Amino acid sequence: DVKVTQSSRYLVKRTGEKVFLECVQDMDHENMFWYRQDPGLGLRLIYFSYDVKMKEKGDIPEGYSVSREKKERFSLILESASTNQTSMYLCASSLSDVGPLHFGNGTRLTVT
Amino acid sequence: AQRVTQPEKLLSVFKGAPVELKCNYSYSGSPELFWYVQYSRQRLQLLLRHISRESIKGFTADLNKGETSFHLKKPFAQEEDSAMYYCAPPPGAGNMLTFGGGTRLMVKP
Repeated sequence: DVKVTQSSRYLVKRTGEKVFLECVQDMDHENMFWYRQDPGLGLRLIYFSYDVKMKEKGDIPEGYSVSREKKERFSLILESASTNQTSMYLCASSLSDVGPLHFGNGTRLTVT
Repeated sequence: AQRVTQPEKLLSVFKGAPVELKCNYSYSGSPELFWYVQYSRQRLQLLLRHISRESIKGFTADLNKGETSFHLKKPFAQEEDSAMYYCAPPPGAGNMLTFGGGTRLMVKP
């Protein structure tokens, strides 16, 4: 069974801090994704990656960047955290373009 | 590119009642669609996919090309079905990967 692991379940950071959210998958999936989940807004795609060192912007990339140095790891970076980035962040991976997404447990980030 | 919309944010039914969660799509080509579910305090997970044509936890979803819909149905809702449900296309290039609002299903005793 595919496992997608997000390093932190809960995180509290201060405004202006640089924040790293880590995600690791153990099934050699090509594709990895970062979403944020907010009540009433559903899931919104921040960034995705189809290969190592490759990244593509999703719908709401502003204020975020990503890093994919190894196939199994996809990191989301908040360069300077702001209160409007308080949210649940979900990482996902998929084997192929037509396969389903496999999600991590999520990281609930609070920026104060 | 495939886009999906879920017109209902909240659906509330009584236990034992039939359930239908709506999903409409626009597509170019033959659509591939999925239903995902998120139970309270659990990760978002695949419920079923169009291509497999299977029934999971009593849920089925049939692709209706004429109505461009992929509604999720269950004849008799259970309290444990209460969850957030998302309809989504596959994550392929060219698709809009935003899931949309989803539908919260509440099954009352």
